Amino acid sequence: GDSVTQMEGPVTLSEEAFLTINCTYTATGYPSLFWYVQYPGEGLQLLLKATKADDKGSNKGFEATYRKETTSFHLEKGSVQVSDSAVYFCASGGSQGNLIFGKGTKLSVKP
Amino acid sequence: NAGVTQTPKFQVLKTGQSMTLQCAQDMNHNSMYWYRQDPGMGLRLIYYSASEGTTDKGEVPNGYNVSRLNKREFSLRLESAAPSQTSVYFCASNADRRGFSYNSPLHFGNGTRLTVT
Repeated sequence: GDSVTQMEGPVTLSEEAFLTINCTYTATGYPSLFWYVQYPGEGLQLLLKATKADDKGSNKGFEATYRKETTSFHLEKGSVQVSDSAVYFCASGGSQGNLIFGKGTKLSVKP
Repeated sequence: NAGVTQTPKFQVLKTGQSMTLQCAQDMNHNSMYWYRQDPGMGLRLIYYSASEGTTDKGEVPNGYNVSRLNKREFSLRLESAAPSQTSVYFCASNADRRGFSYNSPLHFGNGTRLTVT
């Protein structure tokens, strides 16, 4: 079946460091791709999305580009802040019309 | 602006007990979902409802039942709780009419942390 693979965590960075969290998907065709973020004690919330190849989703300084050739949607941020500490989930539309989540990557940013 | 509200926030059950997790949304969304979140497993869909009166199984439906009471409310019931159902349960909703969640963003509640001993 379809799956989403994202890099294992936890990831620990210093404030102002560059962040990359890798994500690849297996669904065929052109699924919509998403990054969700979960802050401590809260539910997930949509961070950004892209719906077609070469689209770039962006929000709050985070970016991700839909790369069909590598079936990837890596999340990046140029300068992380302590407030970015959270768990990040990559998700893909599935071949059956469902939404498939990766296992999540926990990010901790130290001052 | 409440969004998606789940009750209770925490619950401890003994094996074999039953309980119902409540969920309500005030965004006039068509579709509602129940997920469970387990360490190292990400989120897995238990059941979903594309509209009032309809429900469908997701990836891990065994041991659960659901009711879409009206457009606002979608409850999850554990008839005979088992330790394997210890998890964090999230309710979500979105505007999709098809009952799948990849066209419009999901809005999540803050979760119910359930422990079954």
